[in-house]
Amino acid sequence: SAVISQKPSRDICQRGTSLTIQCQVDSQVTMMFWYRQQPGQSLTLIATANQGSEATYESGFVIDKFPISRPNLTFSTLTVSNMSPEDSSIYLCSVEDSITSGGAYNEQFFGPGTRLTVL
Amino acid sequence: GDSVTQMEGPVTLSEEAFLTINCTYTATGYPSLFWYVQYPGEGLQLLLKATKADDKGSNKGFEATYRKETTSFHLEKGSVQVSDSAVYFCALSSYNFNKFYFGSGTKLNVKP
Repeated sequence: SAVISQKPSRDICQRGTSLTIQCQVDSQVTMMFWYRQQPGQSLTLIATANQGSEATYESGFVIDKFPISRPNLTFSTLTVSNMSPEDSSIYLCSVEDSITSGGAYNEQFFGPGTRLTVL
Repeated sequence: GDSVTQMEGPVTLSEEAFLTINCTYTATGYPSLFWYVQYPGEGLQLLLKATKADDKGSNKGFEATYRKETTSFHLEKGSVQVSDSAVYFCALSSYNFNKFYFGSGTKLNVKP
């Protein structure tokens, strides 16, 4: 299974500023994902980041607010731009590990998360 | 579309009690099913998985069986411990679509 680290683990930011979260994987992976977990809520997929192409954003999330980079097969960044208190969440990076069993069944491994508080 | 529904919490049990957390799903095709656990202040960890009908996933005393006829993947443990206190998420992975769908999470509190 992949080992994933995220930086920073937590941060407290001022309204209107931006924060870039880094995600590092110990092996090469094709697909990386960014999720948001608002307080007391489940996970919501923000976007899928593939190396060498633009990230694919889910409904309700836009590139201007959450720009993503994926420069290689082991690293990705998510920027939360022009932050407001509503952006206070845990942001999680995950990677896919395909298991083949008569098809392709995908398993995801998660990083420890970045706990963001916006004042 | 694909979705996961799990029982609302919090669930409060005494140590050594039997645990069931219900999870049902809606999916086209043949999804894989997962249970993830999130301990306080931490990220998600994979607890167990099942990739086809009638498969039973198990880990750390937890079990769940992939029931296609009832579209369910209920999590069970025969005797819970205080250290099992966490939030449990049921999830499915759509076949070949590389998307995960998570349930709302069920918080488990185990009292000594």
